[in-house]
Amino acid sequence: NAGVTQTPKFQVLKTGQSMTLQCAQDMNHEYMSWYRQDPGMGLRLIHYSVGAGITDQGEVPNGYNVSRSTTEDFPLRLLSAAPSQTSVYFCASSALLTGDDSEAFFGQGTRLTVV
Amino acid sequence: GNSVTQMEGPVTLSEEAFLTINCTYTATGYPSLFWYVQYPGEGLQLLLKATKADDKGSNKGFEATYRKETTSFHLEKGSVQVSDSAVYFCALRGGAQKLVFGQGTRLTINP
Repeated sequence: NAGVTQTPKFQVLKTGQSMTLQCAQDMNHEYMSWYRQDPGMGLRLIHYSVGAGITDQGEVPNGYNVSRSTTEDFPLRLLSAAPSQTSVYFCASSALLTGDDSEAFFGQGTRLTVV
Repeated sequence: GNSVTQMEGPVTLSEEAFLTINCTYTATGYPSLFWYVQYPGEGLQLLLKATKADDKGSNKGFEATYRKETTSFHLEKGSVQVSDSAVYFCALRGGAQKLVFGQGTRLTINP
């Protein structure tokens, strides 16, 4: 039972570098999303996708890009890393069900430090 | 817009104490409500949920009741254990499957 797999678990970047956080799920979920977790602020939605080829912005999208070429994968790209992007990033997936009754499954997170 | 407010933490209790973590929400329509738990070094796991007013969600001895009149979804447990030490997040699901989270409450249980 792999569920939602995120890689890497830890990353240190220099300001201005770019990188991609990987997220894959094996549950055939239509809905996938990326959150960042910062102390005292809970989780904030960065981007989300309701299916292959469809993405949209969440609450804090600036500085991040996403794409969804397959149902399984939803990578998050940092275009030019900034210290303000130091955070823990979580990927989540869920089925799109009527009645709003679907559980979201989370990856174990990527701890990113930008110096 | 939708928002969730949780009681300020951290919360420290002794084993077997009664636990309440307050959660209130602001939302249009009738959102589903959730409690997620995050153990150290792990991602979030669903603890319990309620999808309509007066529903009670329960799991692992934890309970929360969806109170539309007070827009609340307080988490309770009658007797906590050391293994309950974690960060607890209240959340609501509004439109387009988006989850909106509270700021989280860190709970520490001492033996």
